[in-house]
This record gives sequence, structure tokens and C-alpha cells, in this order.
Amino acid sequence: EDQVTQSPEALRLQEGESSSLNCSYTVSGLRGLFWYRQDPGKGPEFLFTLYSAGEEKEKERLKATLTKKESFLHITAPKPEDSATYLCAAQTGTASKLTFGTGTRLQVTL
Amino acid sequence: DAGVIQSPRHEVTEMGQEVTLRCKPISGHNSLFWYRQTMMRGLELLIYFNNNVPIDDSGMPEDRFSAKMPNASFSTLKIQPSEPRDSAVYFCASSLHSTNEKLFFGSGTQLSVL
Repeated sequence: EDQVTQSPEALRLQEGESSSLNCSYTVSGLRGLFWYRQDPGKGPEFLFTLYSAGEEKEKERLKATLTKKESFLHITAPKPEDSATYLCAAQTGTASKLTFGTGTRLQVTL
Repeated sequence: DAGVIQSPRHEVTEMGQEVTLRCKPISGHNSLFWYRQTMMRGLELLIYFNNNVPIDDSGMPEDRFSAKMPNASFSTLKIQPSEPRDSAVYFCASSLHSTNEKLFFGSGTQLSVL
């Protein structure tokens, strides 16, 4: 059975304090690794897709990387508006079928 | 574009009642997905449609759950009869086509079954 595990479950950072979120996956035939951001009371919002080990993508203060077993979401000098739950998901087999992790709740304080 | 539209935003019902959740995907998107989110299990795929045809319903938990997509602009997820363990947030998402993995999610329906 495909599994996606995220850690930590929750993370509290001070503004400017960089850190990384982890997403480890055990799946058969990874087609893509996705990162989404979810704000309270809203649906997830797409951030990145990574397709092969060694690939990196950046967006503002966020950078996602991928290895053969895990993905990291690096947050550089975070701001309070980066507070959200970050979800990763693995796509395997059938097109568009994603297996999600349970997320990391990030809180950035002043 | 208004994005994916779900209704109602909140639904409170009593055990045994029928519940119908509604979704309007983004115009032009050919794939539609129903997900359920709970604290314990996160986001779980219930069913997805491609060109209005159900492709994979292996995530539908029981026969009490059914989903339809009568046309490209409307889908429903029905629970009959509802049970307290069905309480969760139900999300609808759409994508441009079945090989486009970028999903656009609605704001969800918070379902509480008492």
C-alpha cells in the first residue's frame, strides 16, 4: 500500500528562522511528488510538482527538493503569512490519483 | 474564473438522514475528484471522474456513499443513511485533464452528523 508520511506534525518558527519540512514516501512507481498549501477553512492550493530525484523548484521563500525516498520543503526567512498547513502528495499508477500525507502545520510568529 | 464551487459550506444533520453535497468544477476541466479530510487520516480520495465517467471509486467507504456526474459542470456526492463517523470536510477538485496533476480544490463542505 502506498504511504506518505510528513514530519513534523506541527512546527512553530519565529519570523526569519529558516527550517525544513519532510515528506517521506513508500510507493510503487512514483510519477510525481506534489506540495500543496492549505489555509484554515480553505481547500489545498498547489505549490510545486517534482518528477525526478535531484529536481528542485522555488517560489518566493519556498524551495522543494526530491530524493528517491523523500522530499523536503525548505522555508527561508519565513514571514507570518507563511503560516499554513503544508501537504505533500505522491502520484502513482493511475493518472491524477494522489496519495496525501497528513500535513505539517506551520506557525510563524513575529 | 470562479474556481471550483461547492455547496453547502456547512451541513449539520442527524444520523440516518440523507446528505447531498454539490460541486461545480472549473469550466473546461475534464477530471473531477471527491476527497474527504479528517484529522486522523488526512485527505483521502473517494472517487474520480474523467469526462463525466467514474474511473476509480475504490475509495468510497461503503454502499452508503454514491457519486454522480450528470454533465461536465455538476457533480454530487450523496450519503444515505448518514452516520456520525461520516463527519469530515469533503472537498471537490478538478483538473484540466486526466494526465494533468495540478488539482484545483473547492473550499469544501464541513459535514457534521449528530
